[in-house]
Formats: sequence, C-alpha cells, structure tokens
Amino acid sequence: NAGVTQTPKFRVLKTGQSMTLLCAQDMNHEYMYWYRQDPGMGLRLIHYSVGEGTTAKGEVPDGYNVSRLKKQNFLLGLESAAPSQTSVYFCASSSISSYQETQYFGPGTRLLVL
Amino acid sequence: QQQVKQSPQSLIVQKGGISIINCAYENTAFDYFPWYQQFPGKGPALLIAIRPDVSEKKEGRFTISFNKSAKQFSLHIMDSQPGDSATYFCAASIRAAGNKLTFGGGTRVLVKP
Repeated sequence: NAGVTQTPKFRVLKTGQSMTLLCAQDMNHEYMYWYRQDPGMGLRLIHYSVGEGTTAKGEVPDGYNVSRLKKQNFLLGLESAAPSQTSVYFCASSSISSYQETQYFGPGTRLLVL
Repeated sequence: QQQVKQSPQSLIVQKGGISIINCAYENTAFDYFPWYQQFPGKGPALLIAIRPDVSEKKEGRFTISFNKSAKQFSLHIMDSQPGDSATYFCAASIRAAGNKLTFGGGTRVLVKP
C-alpha cells in the first residue's frame, strides 16, 4: 500500500515549456486534489476532482489544467510554464465517506521554472 | 482573501514546554478543522482533527481547542520534544463541498533540547 505517489520528484523547466505532473493513489479514494506550497502562504488549492471524469477549479487555477481519466490517477499540466509557477506541488486524496475525511498527501514535486 | 489566519509564524520552545498555535477562520460553513504536521522535504500528514460539535479533542500530547462563537481554534502540544520540530498547518473545509482544505500560513516550531 503505497498511499499517494507523485512523479517526478524534481524538475527544472525553462519559461514556456510544458510538463505534466502525475499523481497516483491506491486507496480507492473518490476525491483528489492538487495544491501548491509557497513560503509563508501555506498550501493553496489549484484544482480538484470529486470523481473519475470530473474536475473543478480551486483557489489558484490559472495556468494549470487537470485530468482524471482513471479513478486512481490525477494529472496536473502546465501548458506554458512561468517563473511564478516555481513551487512545491502536492497531490492529496480522500474518501467520500463520513468520518473518513482525512486527506492523504503525496511527497511533493519541486518545480523550478527559469 | 485569506479565510484561515494562523499565528505565530514561528515558535521556539524548550523541551518539555507547551507549544500553542492559534487559528481564526471567517467562513461559518466550515465543518472540519484538521491540523497537519510537515517535516522538511515531506508532504503534510494529518496530526489531529476536530468537528465543530465538540470544544476539545485530545490525542496523546496534542490537543485541539475549538471556540465556535469566536471562530477560533488552537493546537496545544504538551511536553514538547525535539522530534516535534516541524511546520504545523491548520486548515478548514466544508465536507459536503468536496472537502477542499483552506490552509493557514503555517507555524514553524523549533523545540530546543
């Protein structure tokens, strides 16, 4: 049981390049989330999904797209990276069931955009 | 608009002392209030959580106090240990609305031996 895994762990991009971050969970969770973490600002929600084939915008969605084609995977895409997207990205998942609200986080992806 | 405000930003406590972190929220629809612990280079991990129908929850050395009327909640770490040195985040969510977490800005806690 690996929980939530993220790939890659670290990436350097040049401005304008594109990339996809992959999140996978093996807990059969319905909900999945992408957050970004910047110093002094906590974590902020980028996009989330309440089920396979559904996605929705969070607090800071601009410049990102997501897809959830399979229940266990949630992809975060950057079409044209900007230096402002330099951050640590965390994926999380949680159950839809009552009293099982815990969000489990992955280890993060560090992204540097030059 | 920061819906969850956390203080202090950093905290130094002696081993055996008490660490207290405070959070205030604005949205009265929030109905789930977790605290996360994060070590450098790692993802956040749930420490303890509370729902607004109780005023206090204790798990080992960690206690959440919740004041619904004041829209405030706090984390108390009793008998602080060097291994507790980490960044702590409070958060809040509306469980029926996708359980999306709104985080506070974080508190870096250093426990000196």
